[in-house]
Amino acid sequence: QVQLQESGPGLVRPSETLSLTCTVSGGSISSHYWTWIRQPPGKGLEWIGYIYYSGSTNYNPSLKSRLTISVDTSKNRFSLRLSSVTAADTAVYYCARGGSWLDPWGLGTLVTVSS
Amino acid sequence: DIQMTQSPSSLSASVGDRVTITCQASQDSRKSLNWYQQKPGKAPNLLIYDASNLQTGVPSRFSGSGSGTDFTFTISSLQPEDIATYYCQQYENLPYTFGQGTKLEIK
Repeated sequence: QVQLQESGPGLVRPSETLSLTCTVSGGSISSHYWTWIRQPPGKGLEWIGYIYYSGSTNYNPSLKSRLTISVDTSKNRFSLRLSSVTAADTAVYYCARGGSWLDPWGLGTLVTVSS
Repeated sequence: DIQMTQSPSSLSASVGDRVTITCQASQDSRKSLNWYQQKPGKAPNLLIYDASNLQTGVPSRFSGSGSGTDFTFTISSLQPEDIATYYCQQYENLPYTFGQGTKLEIK
């Protein structure tokens, strides 16, 4: 079955750019929406945005000015870049298949913003 | 943004109990509502989509209902493995939003 795996640095300095990749295995990235979600430690879930395999995107307005989500169909993966990070961006970042309902999810990766 | 308010925030119940969680949307969300289960240290897992449809492989003791602004999630007979935090999520309007979560514990 389809599995997703997030990867990227676990520590990012304030004001720098957070970059994560979600690699899809067991299925094609084509013909689906792909979503990023995050969860600050001990808190609830926040929808970040999604990308269609063709490249069209929708972002959370609260992050839009700092956010880029892209897709690489040749490598069956999609990516997130969040610029000018602060401590408030510290969270577990999840990727998931789907736009409306999300299934399955990756295991998540903790990104800490700290100097 | 559509605000999603779950009630209660936490809940303690006994094995075999019927458990109900509610989710209220700040605007009409029709049936654009999902429910997820998140066990400690794990990623969320989709249980219910489109307000009342059971995701494949999910036990039938889980169910959802509602439309518009008021939604309900029910576990008909609580099992020990149901200990988790449950989230609702609307996808009627962008940005999609989640409820704050309901933490379910065994009494």
